[in-house]
Amino acid sequence: DQQVKQNSPSLSVQEGRISILNCDYTNSMFDYFLWYKKYPAEGPTFLISISSIKDKNEDGRFTVFLNKSAKHLSLHIVPSQPGDSAVYFCAASAGRIQGAQKLVFGQGTRLTINP
Amino acid sequence: DTGVSQNPRHKITKRGQNVTFRCDPISEHNRLYWYRQTLGQGPEFLTYFQNEAQLEKSRLLSDRFSAERPKGSFSTLEIQRTEQGDSAMYLCASSYSLGTRADNEQFFGPGTRLTVL
Repeated sequence: DQQVKQNSPSLSVQEGRISILNCDYTNSMFDYFLWYKKYPAEGPTFLISISSIKDKNEDGRFTVFLNKSAKHLSLHIVPSQPGDSAVYFCAASAGRIQGAQKLVFGQGTRLTINP
Repeated sequence: DTGVSQNPRHKITKRGQNVTFRCDPISEHNRLYWYRQTLGQGPEFLTYFQNEAQLEKSRLLSDRFSAERPKGSFSTLEIQRTEQGDSAMYLCASSYSLGTRADNEQFFGPGTRLTVL
């Protein structure tokens, strides 16, 4: 039972354009969502997060949008840069108040930024 | 400030052997997590500790797996009688939770890649 799904295994975007990565979840108990970036042979690096009491969070070039009714979130990167090429994981937890006891991850989307 | 560290980074072993991995979390973090990642998948939760107490274990953590965090600082993950299906990247993460502050953001180490021949 895949509770967090990233349906696009890969995405290719031209440098300078917007990258949009999508994520869907099924568990209504999830109340905190995170995006991680992973380079080969390294652990995931935290990128940005959003609580279920918000619908948008922005940090520099990265914005995460949450649509609770659709159980959908997306990560927007603008403008996209070559260094953004990596695998991006969406993760969810049910720990908005007491902190995450565990994160449930999607399968990842490989983003390639073309010069 | 050092991040989460894991040792060894790579381990190759023969089927049936025991292996042990170590994780040193970020120093102020009292929660420590173990995940496993296989090719093409996201990390899967195995277990987590708050201080020295192991509070949750996934059904993925068979009885051949044991994790400890004896003094609430570093943690070890041991796999006994390894099988080829245990080949994966084993990731450790840490976070902070005390009083009114309970972080959802977990910070990951570089992982230990296990290959069972």
